[in-house]
Amino acid sequence: AQTVTQSQPEMSVQEAETVTLSCTYDTSESDYYLFWYKQPPSRQMILVIRQEAYKQQNATENRFSVNFQKAAKSFSLKISDSQLGDAAMYFCAYRVQGQGAQKLVFGQGTRLTINP
Amino acid sequence: NAGVMQNPRHLVRRRGQEARLRCSPMKGHSHVYWYRQLPEEGLKFMVYLQKENIIDESGMPKERFSAEFPKEGPSILRIQQVVRGDSAAYFCASSLDRVNTEAFFGQGTRLTVV
Repeated sequence: AQTVTQSQPEMSVQEAETVTLSCTYDTSESDYYLFWYKQPPSRQMILVIRQEAYKQQNATENRFSVNFQKAAKSFSLKISDSQLGDAAMYFCAYRVQGQGAQKLVFGQGTRLTINP
Repeated sequence: NAGVMQNPRHLVRRRGQEARLRCSPMKGHSHVYWYRQLPEEGLKFMVYLQKENIIDESGMPKERFSAEFPKEGPSILRIQQVVRGDSAAYFCASSLDRVNTEAFFGQGTRLTVV
């Protein structure tokens, strides 16, 4: 069974600094997607970034980038120049590519606090 | 283009009552997914539906829970005879197709059983 593990229940960072959130996953599949979602207090699930497993290049979206290590099954999120609005729960998620459903498997989440 | 709409946002039920959660997918989306989020946990997949069909219900509890997505109208997640352990946030997501497009989430319904 596929599992996603986030080993950091909480993280904090000073505003304008850089923080890295960790995620590991377990799968026997070769084609899949990985995602980072942000959940602010409003509860809305917001897609931050996605990575296709077949792509070697790490995905980047403005201040957000990932370090995807396929052999190690690791998918960390780096947030640069942290802003107060980045404070939220962050969830790592996995989905098999081509599967007949968008069934996402989520990690337990990391609560990120930004210190002004 | 309105996003995924869930209602109500908050629902309080007494033990033994029924809870009905509604989800209207984004315009043009015919694939709907329900997830449950227990306090301080990640989302857990419950069920995947297309119009008038249940495609994957591997995450649904065997009893008291049911879901439908009729030809007309929103998708409904129904919980009969609710218990305290059903208290959670229930999220709906929709997508355009079943493989390559993104799933968009609603804001969730927080169910509290008293």
